[in-house]
This record gives sequence, structure tokens and C-alpha cells, in this order.
Amino acid sequence: DTGVSQDPRHKITKRGQNVTFRCDPISEHNRLYWYRQTLGQGPEFLTYFQNEAQLEKSRLLSDRFSAERPKGSFSTLEIQRTEQGDSAMYLCASSSFGTAYGYTFGSGTRLTVV
Amino acid sequence: RKEVEQDPGPFNVPEGATVAFNCTYSNSASQSFFWYRQDCRKEPKLLMSVYSSGNEDGRFTAQLNRASQYISLLIRDSKLSDSATYLCVVSLSGGGADGLTFGKGTHLIIQP
Repeated sequence: DTGVSQDPRHKITKRGQNVTFRCDPISEHNRLYWYRQTLGQGPEFLTYFQNEAQLEKSRLLSDRFSAERPKGSFSTLEIQRTEQGDSAMYLCASSSFGTAYGYTFGSGTRLTVV
Repeated sequence: RKEVEQDPGPFNVPEGATVAFNCTYSNSASQSFFWYRQDCRKEPKLLMSVYSSGNEDGRFTAQLNRASQYISLLIRDSKLSDSATYLCVVSLSGGGADGLTFGKGTHLIIQP
């Protein structure tokens, strides 16, 4: 296991389309996090899973966003009816011990909505 | 008021110099503190955790001042490869469910 994997690396979509991203965490990590980062900003927390349970959602996660982690392993983040403001880097991270020891991030999915 | 504030820079520093960054956080209940490094168009990577007693890792020293709610990072004998954005990060919990809160980052450029 080489770390947190995210797919795709880049996604260009037309406004109004739906997109789905995938994250495969480090295999022994039971906690998985999604963040969003725009240019010149730090990453912003979106949502968090412990195993398959989604335990926390940021107010940044509008109704057009949904995340799942069906078997407590990989996770998907779907954005419906994309808007130009959704253009960002979507980062996934995983950990075994919550926030006490920091997270390991994946390389991210860069979304461009045109 | 922003939860984690950092000077965005850029800091232009000659190679071999010592450079220090500070950041301040607003929530006094914060319990875990970190510095992350982020290279251009790459993911953030954990540089070091920050402890109340201060801690050192090679050329890097991190300090936490809980009373004043600020965190510092000192880089000695800076290298060209230290050029990056340094993100100050806090968490309310030592091991709970809340996410990490990131500052906007401080951009460091080491010049030959």
C-alpha cells in the first residue's frame, strides 16, 4: 500500500453535469476525510467517515454534494449539477487515530467546471 | 475572525538563512497543532506536530504558546528545497471526529 489514492487526477466538466471522485485510503486506516482547496486558500473540511459511518459534514457541503463509504474502505464524493464555483482541488485524507497525529493526504482530484 | 491566521508572504530568503513563521488561532479549546508543507499543485504533507514543550526535527523547530494562541516554525540553514507553502493547522480534538482547520499558508521562496 503506497498511500492514499485518488481518481481521477484531473476532471474537466461542463456546468450542470454530475461528477464523481474516488478515494482509496491507506488500508488499515478507519478514518477518511474529504477536503476542498481553492487557489490561495488552505484546505477546507467537507466531511468525515469512521468506517462506513459519515459522522460529520461541513456546512460547505451543500445538497448537491454527497459522499459515501459503503464498505468502510474506499469512498466516493459526488457533485451534482456542477457550478463554476465548484472548481477546486478535492483532497482525500485518511488516518488511524483521528486528528492527533495528522493525516495522510492523497494527491487530490483537480476539478475544473467550464 | 479567521480561525487560523498566517502571513501569506511571500518570504524571500537567501539560502542558508534562518526564517521564522508564526500563526495565530482563535479557538482556545484547540488541542492538536501541526505544520504541513505543500509544494505547488501537490497535496499537503505533514511536516511536524507541535507540542507545548516545543519540538525539533533536524533544522526545523516548532513552538506552541497556548496563552497567546500562537504557533511558530523556525527553519535554520534554509535549503533551496525548503521553498514551499507552509500551512499552520489546528484541531479541537486530540483524537476525535472533527476535521483539521488549516490556515491559508505562508509562501516561502529560498533564493540561491
